[in-house]
Amino acid sequence: KNQVEQSPQSLIILEGKNCTLQCNYTVSPFSNLRWYKQDTGRGPVSLTIMTFSENTKSNGRYTATLDADTKQSSLHITASQLSDSASYICVVSVAGGSYIPTFGRGTSLIVHP
Amino acid sequence: DTEVTQTPKHLVMGMTNKKSLKCEQHMGHRAMYWYKQKAKKPPELMFVYSYEKLSINESVPSRFSPECPNSSLLNLHLHALQPEDSALYLCASSQLQNQPQHFGDGTRLSIL
Repeated sequence: KNQVEQSPQSLIILEGKNCTLQCNYTVSPFSNLRWYKQDTGRGPVSLTIMTFSENTKSNGRYTATLDADTKQSSLHITASQLSDSASYICVVSVAGGSYIPTFGRGTSLIVHP
Repeated sequence: DTEVTQTPKHLVMGMTNKKSLKCEQHMGHRAMYWYKQKAKKPPELMFVYSYEKLSINESVPSRFSPECPNSSLLNLHLHALQPEDSALYLCASSQLQNQPQHFGDGTRLSIL
């Protein structure tokens, strides 16, 4: 069964600090992995997308890594800001077939001043 | 502002009402999606349209009826909903299936 597990479930950090969110998956065959940011009451916004051959991808202060061998990804947030408070969702897609993405349950990040 | 527009933003309806949710995108995307999201849970896929044809129905109850009138529009018709159907309904689109999805901000639906 295709699964995506995210950790931690929730995280509280101080403004200006760095943090790393984890995503482990069992989806196979792998097509791509995406990280989304979802603010309360808003739709998810794509941060990064990575395919099998990509190890790292950055989007401003967000850097995602992918280890396709161990089926792990991380999202590193540098110099956190209050506006980073949101839910971060890892989504993994299957190659070929009818395509149904598998969503993780998300990590809720709260940045305190 | 999101490039996928959903209306209305909020909807309150009784269990006997009929209403529709609307979604519009003008990015030329050929795949469109409906998701249901409960509080503190990830979105759950309901329907996928590809080139205006229904390609995936995730065993959604018939009280939810999708419609894709053209490549830019996606509707979700609601009838005889239950209180447990209260949720945030998200629409998304992508260039093609299995490509990055752009989400709207959703319709917050409450069933009385």
